[in-house]
Amino acid sequence: DGGITQSPKYLFRKEGQNVTLSCEQNLNHDAMYWYRQDPGQGLRLIYYSQIVNDFQKGDIAEGYSVSREKKESFPLTVTSAQKNPTAFYLCASKRRAGLVEKLFFGSGTQLSVL
Amino acid sequence: EDQVTQSPEALRLQEGESSSLNCSYTVSGLRGLFWYRQDPGKGPEFLFTLYSAGEEKEKERLKATLTKKESFLHITAPKPEDSATYLCAVQALNYGGSQGNLIFGKGTKLSVKP
Repeated sequence: DGGITQSPKYLFRKEGQNVTLSCEQNLNHDAMYWYRQDPGQGLRLIYYSQIVNDFQKGDIAEGYSVSREKKESFPLTVTSAQKNPTAFYLCASKRRAGLVEKLFFGSGTQLSVL
Repeated sequence: EDQVTQSPEALRLQEGESSSLNCSYTVSGLRGLFWYRQDPGKGPEFLFTLYSAGEEKEKERLKATLTKKESFLHITAPKPEDSATYLCAVQALNYGGSQGNLIFGKGTKLSVKP
């Protein structure tokens, strides 16, 4: 079955530590996205990538970094510069950025600070 | 500034009690409006896309409608399994900073009691 796989489901970060969230898709989509979801808030865009080896900052990119070396993969690193990392992180994809098409979402990663 | 506002924040219904969720939006031009359903601890699941005022779409007990300023998600004779958070998102026409990315509302948490 085609879809988006996020791992791990739960992740804990120690102070000063960088952690990486995995996102893999087998939908053959060009565009991939990372969102952050906090309780009572809408999804906020962190980074997005329209094509391999290219990505752009979203609305809240500070303290995060990404890479897009393969079409299937779009990992997100939460760096120690992100002072409030506790949130639910969602990865999504669609065929091409800008198209009026639905986003396909993964099942999310809950990141907490120890 | 493009924005999406959903109301109410939370809605409690008895099984069989029909009601509506509201999504009001302000964008420079609408390319598409999306409804998603999100269960706790999971990624959003696509429900509908609406493109122009007057358009309606239905799926089981759900019906989405669109005007020039808002969309409604009507729930007819809801069941407990309809309990979830319903998210609304819009895609604007402008290709400036948003690059056609989705703008999400904060969601309406629906609880249906048996």
